[in-house]
Amino acid sequence: GENVEQHPSTLSVQEGDSAVIKCTYSDSASNYFPWYKQELGKRPQLIIDIRSNVGEKKDQRIAVTLNKTAKHFSLHITETQPEDSAVYFCAAVLPLNTGGFKTIFGAGTRLFVKA
Amino acid sequence: DAGVIQSPRHEVTEMGQEVTLRCKPISGHDYLFWYRQTMMRGLELLIYFNNNVPIDDSGMPEDRFSAKMPNASFSTLKIQPSEPRDSAVYFCASSPVGMNTEAFFGQGTRLTVV
Repeated sequence: GENVEQHPSTLSVQEGDSAVIKCTYSDSASNYFPWYKQELGKRPQLIIDIRSNVGEKKDQRIAVTLNKTAKHFSLHITETQPEDSAVYFCAAVLPLNTGGFKTIFGAGTRLFVKA
Repeated sequence: DAGVIQSPRHEVTEMGQEVTLRCKPISGHDYLFWYRQTMMRGLELLIYFNNNVPIDDSGMPEDRFSAKMPNASFSTLKIQPSEPRDSAVYFCASSPVGMNTEAFFGQGTRLTVV
């Protein structure tokens, strides 16, 4: 069935360094890839997304890259700050034959930014 | 808009009792999702609705779980009877029309079954 693998499960970086989180998806028909940030005890919130017709997207310190051939997409956070500490989830959205769609989430990456 | 509203925020119940979780999606959003989050299994999609109609319930773990959406502004997730392994945070989320759009999550309901 559809699957999204996310690595690493835990990532610890020094403030100011970059952080990279990688995801791979199984179904090549997936065409929308959102990233969510979940702070402790709070709801997941979208931080950036990318559609399958784009290879890269950037928003200030965060960027996402997509390699459709490899079915691989990554989140890049530069100049990390302590407030970036959270769990990050990638997801792949797959259109269904019924006309609906299905969102498959990765297992999450717990990012620690040390001051 | 106040966003997706879930109630209750916390629920503690005894094993065997019925539990009902409630959700009010953002007005105008045609899609509503129920997710379960645990440390072991992460975020799991349980069921989702499009225009109040259940589209995919393949994530519902057992017959003990049921979900309804009687109208565009209200949905429930019911567990009957509840078991300790149902303890988790249950999130409701909604999205506007179209698949390539952000899902807006509610604050979640933390369920503890003792």
